[in-house]
Amino acid sequence: KQEVTQIPAALSVPEGENLVLNCSFTDSAIYNLQWFRQDPGKGLTSLLLIQSSQREQTSGRLNASLDKSSGRSTLYIAASQPGDSATYLCAVRRSGGYQKVTFGIGTKLQVIP
Amino acid sequence: DGGITQSPKYLFRKEGQNVTLSCEQNLNHDAMYWYRQDPGQGLRLIYYSQIVNDFQKGDIAEGYSVSREKKESFPLTVTSAQKNPTAFYLCASSTAGVTEAFFGQGTRLTVV
Repeated sequence: KQEVTQIPAALSVPEGENLVLNCSFTDSAIYNLQWFRQDPGKGLTSLLLIQSSQREQTSGRLNASLDKSSGRSTLYIAASQPGDSATYLCAVRRSGGYQKVTFGIGTKLQVIP
Repeated sequence: DGGITQSPKYLFRKEGQNVTLSCEQNLNHDAMYWYRQDPGQGLRLIYYSQIVNDFQKGDIAEGYSVSREKKESFPLTVTSAQKNPTAFYLCASSTAGVTEAFFGQGTRLTVV
């Protein structure tokens, strides 16, 4: 059974700092991994999608990496801003069959002005 | 604009009552999903549908029912058999190739 863990559960940083959020998964037979952002009381907004054959994806100040063999992904946020404050979730889609998605609980990020 | 619309945003249910949550998408996606989100837990899959007139149970389907009569619509009914329905419900959709998933803004259901 796939398990997805996100560390830390919460993170508070001053504005302008670069930061890294971690996601680990137990089963390396994945189809893709997706990072989401969730604001309080809102739905999930897709940030980056990494296919299993890829090593990283970049979008603006965000960079996500994937190491399937070690079961790890990181989300790097450069020059953090107060508007980045949100909960960040990673989701792993299994390869084969229905391709079930397993979500982590998320990392709650607060960027202090 | 293309997207997923969930309604209502807030819903209150009395004990023993069935309620239906709406999910509509105009992204032309074949697959649609319902998730439940509780504090301190990851999203859990309730039901999913990969094609019209077909749907499958997820991990926590007991006490819920769905229909998929149109490609654009995937309503979720929370029945009186669901003993702990208070939660945040999220609908999502993706292409048939199961790539990127798109989510609605959620419905918060509270039992009163």
